[in-house]
Amino acid sequence: NAGVTQTPKFRVLKTGQSMTLLCAQDMNHEYMYWYRQDPGMGLRLIHYSVGEGTTAKGEVPDGYNVSRLKKQNFLLGLESAAPSQTSVYFCASTRDGVTEAFFGQGTRLTVV
Amino acid sequence: TQLLEQSPQFLSIQEGENLTVYCNSSSVFSSLQWYRQEPGEGPVLLVTVVTGGEVKKLKRLTFQFGDARKDSSLHITAAQPGDTGLYLCAGEVGSNYQLIWGAGTRLIIKP
Repeated sequence: NAGVTQTPKFRVLKTGQSMTLLCAQDMNHEYMYWYRQDPGMGLRLIHYSVGEGTTAKGEVPDGYNVSRLKKQNFLLGLESAAPSQTSVYFCASTRDGVTEAFFGQGTRLTVV
Repeated sequence: TQLLEQSPQFLSIQEGENLTVYCNSSSVFSSLQWYRQEPGEGPVLLVTVVTGGEVKKLKRLTFQFGDARKDSSLHITAAQPGDTGLYLCAGEVGSNYQLIWGAGTRLIIKP
């Protein structure tokens, strides 16, 4: 049982480049989330989805877009990367939004 | 803005010592979760507390939910190097379908 899988695990981008982070879960969870984690700031919610075909903004959505075309996948896009987006990104899923959150292993992104 | 404040932000102690970390808010939570995150990994759930005044034990870890459901504590007895990690609390508020996260307590247990 893989749980939540994120790809890639590491990436270095130049300012202005674009990329997509992929999150896949095999637990049939309705809710999926993208967080960024920066030192001393905990987990900050970027975007989330309460079901296939739905997305919503979180606490820090600017500079990011998401899509949830299939229930098991949640994609995070950076259209024009900026150094301020250097961070560790985590995807998570929950069954109903407030029970146990299952996390991927994270993607360490550096924008130079 | 609903905030969960964790304290201390950082704690480094010797193996065998006891410690307590705290998670406080001005908001009332329907439930509160504690997670541990190890380097290079995502957070993993340790426990969920639901009832005001509830105490749960997980081996050497004791979790308590405040009577008013606004705060929680994690007490570790006889800490071991394997307890090293980032401890995060997350609270469920009403019907928002989201968890509110604290910034975490980074714990280092030295052998």
